[in-house]
Amino acid sequence: EAQVTQNPRYLITVTGKKLTVTCSQNMNHEYMSWYRQDPGLGLRQIYYSMNVEVTDKGDVPEGYKVSRKEKRNFPLILESPSPNQTSLYFCASSDYAGYEKLFFGSGTQLSVL
Amino acid sequence: AQSVTQLGSHVSVSEGALVLLRCNYSSSVPPYLFWYVQYPNQGLQLLLKYTTGATLVKGINGFEAEFKKSETSFHLTKPSAHMSDAAEYFCAVSDQSGGYQKVTFGTGTKLQVIP
Repeated sequence: EAQVTQNPRYLITVTGKKLTVTCSQNMNHEYMSWYRQDPGLGLRQIYYSMNVEVTDKGDVPEGYKVSRKEKRNFPLILESPSPNQTSLYFCASSDYAGYEKLFFGSGTQLSVL
Repeated sequence: AQSVTQLGSHVSVSEGALVLLRCNYSSSVPPYLFWYVQYPNQGLQLLLKYTTGATLVKGINGFEAEFKKSETSFHLTKPSAHMSDAAEYFCAVSDQSGGYQKVTFGTGTKLQVIP
């Protein structure tokens, strides 16, 4: 089954404690992206990757890092989380960035205390 | 720079009534347009998309949308609402930005269906 898998689904942490949210897709997609969803703001792009070792900033990259060492994986790293990063995060992948549909993971609800 | 405006963060309709969710976009080039749906505690799923060709696009679950270039709109409709349509709906526009095809989402419209 074609899917994007994110882990964990829920995460509560404290300010400054490094964390990683994993994302994996099994569709051999070149394009992957991270979004955060906040009430009233919709989805905003954090980082995206056009292919292995090719990543770039989206609209709200501050405080986040990503890596793309393998085609299937695209982890999101928060080196020093802050309360304003409390949000619902989605990973997505696509066969042809922007022209074909995005496949979304189920989301990660992050709370930073 | 492209942008998407969804009028109405919350829309309520009675079961069996027409659903109309509004989306206007701005884009400097002909865009690709999408509607996604998000059910509670789930990721987004594609409802329908417009790329080129026929301006009336049919999607899943009886939804359709019409691309109107002169009005820069891509409103989503369904003739008869069902309880299972209660969800949040996102309009998205995709066009060339910074050398790649960038997707920008609207702020979403929550649809409530009243029995």
